[in-house]
Amino acid sequence: QVQLVQSGAEVKKPGASVKVSCKASGYTFTNYFIHWVRQAPGQGPEWMGVINPSRGSTSYAEKFQGRVTMTRDTSTSTLYMEVSGLRPEDAAVYYCARGPTITSRPWDAGDYWGQGTLVTVSS
Amino acid sequence: IQMTQSPSSLSASVGDRVTITCRASQTLSTYLNWYQYKSGKAPKLLIYAASSLQSGVPSRFSGSGSGTDFTLTIRSLQPEDCATYYCQQSYTTHGWTFGQGTKVEI
Repeated sequence: QVQLVQSGAEVKKPGASVKVSCKASGYTFTNYFIHWVRQAPGQGPEWMGVINPSRGSTSYAEKFQGRVTMTRDTSTSTLYMEVSGLRPEDAAVYYCARGPTITSRPWDAGDYWGQGTLVTVSS
Repeated sequence: IQMTQSPSSLSASVGDRVTITCRASQTLSTYLNWYQYKSGKAPKLLIYAASSLQSGVPSRFSGSGSGTDFTLTIRSLQPEDCATYYCQQSYTTHGWTFGQGTKVEI
């Protein structure tokens, strides 16, 4: 069965970086887009970007350009999302979500999601 | 694209019919999806392309609408349906946008 298993909770100081992992299993890793979404307390989900695991190509939300990096390791079927220059407002639960096949437009629905990674930013 | 959901919360009884609406600031055709969020669990896709039921989702969930106005209906509310529901547009090439959510309580 399709599974996306994310890394555990992180506590970081302002200005630091955090790298969240998402290990995929149960399907052909390079065949599906992966999106990253975050949800801050009391707010709706916020899309951060998408990666094509086959090519490694990415598209980021304008808000996160220059501060977020999405990568993948095809040997371990693992995706990574790194946020640098953390601010208190970056405190949120971060999710990875499987998008459509890479032969489709990347914007269709996310059908499987990770369990979320809580990132706390505090001095 | 701005997504506006209503109501922001609701309370209903087991067996009730529940309707959640989502309005987009511009036309989406049918590029509208619905998700169920429960605390500590992976979000779950319920409805995609406005009205298609995701595999494994109970048939009491249904979606309708096109253009700018969409509806998620739970035909007979069950205790396990307590959650927050979000609409999401997948129309633009600038990424997903979500509504602010509707919290459903029994």
